[in-house]
Amino acid sequence: DAGVIQSPRHEVTEMGQEVTLRCKPISGHNSLFWYRQTMMRGLELLIYFNNNVPIDDSGMPEDRFSAKMPNASFSTLKIQPSEPRDSAVYFCASRGLAGGLYEQYFGPGTRLTVT
Amino acid sequence: SQKIEQNSEALNIQEGKTATLTCNYTNYSPAYLQWYRQDPGRGPVFLLLIRENEKEKRKERLKVTFDTTLKQSLFHITASQPADSATYLCAPSAGTDKLIFGTGTRLQVFP
Repeated sequence: DAGVIQSPRHEVTEMGQEVTLRCKPISGHNSLFWYRQTMMRGLELLIYFNNNVPIDDSGMPEDRFSAKMPNASFSTLKIQPSEPRDSAVYFCASRGLAGGLYEQYFGPGTRLTVT
Repeated sequence: SQKIEQNSEALNIQEGKTATLTCNYTNYSPAYLQWYRQDPGRGPVFLLLIRENEKEKRKERLKVTFDTTLKQSLFHITASQPADSATYLCAPSAGTDKLIFGTGTRLQVFP
C-alpha cells in the first residue's frame, strides 16, 4: 500500500486566497483525521471522520476552515479566506481495523505558507 | 483543561546509552497512551501503545511504562543508536478516536 497520500506537499499563497488540501487515506481504513502542526502549538486535531461522517470538529479554529469526506477514499480541508496565522504543516491520518484498532497512519503533510 | 507535558528541551545522549523520555498528563484519565516518532519533514509514525491496566510494554529496544497514579509514562530506548535521533511524541487517549499529542521531545544520539 502507498500509505496516506496528501497533496500538495507545499503550498504558498497570499492572504485572502482559498486553499484546498487533499488527502487519500489507506484503502480499507474507516477513520480519517486532519491535524495541524506548528512550533508553538504542536500537533493539534482539527476534525475527524468515521465512515465518512464528521464526528468531532471542535478543533477547527473558525468558520474559515471546512472539511469534507465525500467518499471513503478522499477528503479535503479548505481554508477560505486564508490568513498568515494559518501557516503550518497540515497532516492527514487514517486508521482502520486492518491496521490495528488504535494506531494512526500519517501522511507526509502539506506545508502551507500564507504571505 | 487537559494538559500533556513533555520535556521541550532536547535530550542528547551518547550512542549505546539508554534514553529515557517523560510524558506527564493532567486533568484526565486516559484509557491508553501511544508513542509516536517523527522525523524532520515527515509525519509521525506509531511505535507503541500501552493500556491503563498495563504497567510496562516492550518492543525490541523500546520499553514504555504507564503509571496512572503519577499520571506519567516513560519511554526508554536501550542501546541507543544515531538512527534513533528524532522527535518522540506521546498521545494519551480516553477513547479509541481522539488523540491529544504532547509537543514532543527531540532526541539526539551522538556517536
